[in-house]
Amino acid sequence: DARVTQTPRHKVTEMGQEVTMRCQPILGHNTVFWYRQTMMQGLELLAYFRNRAPLDDSGMPKDRFSAEMPDATLATLKIQPSEPRDSAVYFCASAGLVTDTQYFGPGTRLTVL
Amino acid sequence: RKEVEQDPGPFNVPEGATVAFNCTYSNSASQSFFWYRQDCRKEPKLLMSVYSSGNEDGRFTAQLNRASQYISLLIRDSKLSDSATYLCVVKIYNQGGKLIFGQGTELSVKP
Repeated sequence: DARVTQTPRHKVTEMGQEVTMRCQPILGHNTVFWYRQTMMQGLELLAYFRNRAPLDDSGMPKDRFSAEMPDATLATLKIQPSEPRDSAVYFCASAGLVTDTQYFGPGTRLTVL
Repeated sequence: RKEVEQDPGPFNVPEGATVAFNCTYSNSASQSFFWYRQDCRKEPKLLMSVYSSGNEDGRFTAQLNRASQYISLLIRDSKLSDSATYLCVVKIYNQGGKLIFGQGTELSVKP
């Protein structure tokens, strides 16, 4: 049963610390998305990649957030330095070439104190 | 104004009830439409795609009105297990598969 995996599932950190979240897309999927979900804003797209190349990162605060895809099996989202307003659930999703369906990972629940 | 707007909810209904969710979208270049379901503290999962001719999957019926830029989801004979948040989702033409999510409508089905 192929699925998207994310690590860590939960992260509590202090303001100013660096946070790195990882995502392993479904094998063979070539598009990877990063979303953030909060009660106030709902689900927001931060960035996405196709064939490891960034297509759109306009939803991502550039000063502290960065997203990369070092290889086809790993996507990372980094926050440095983290702030309390970054507290949210961060979801990764992947999609194949011919389908509209995005499959979401279980999310990383981030709390910045 | 948000690109995808949904009924705010929450909807509290008894088992067996029929419930309808509505959604409007503002971008006329919207290409594909979906309903996702999200259980509490879980990830969103695709419930069904929405086609212009309307489509049905068991107790679930989705409708699309492109002229009015309106999407609906009807749940018949609701079950306790239908309790979740339902997200209206739109894919914009030529934006690489980017999905725009509505805020979601919470449904609570009571015994």
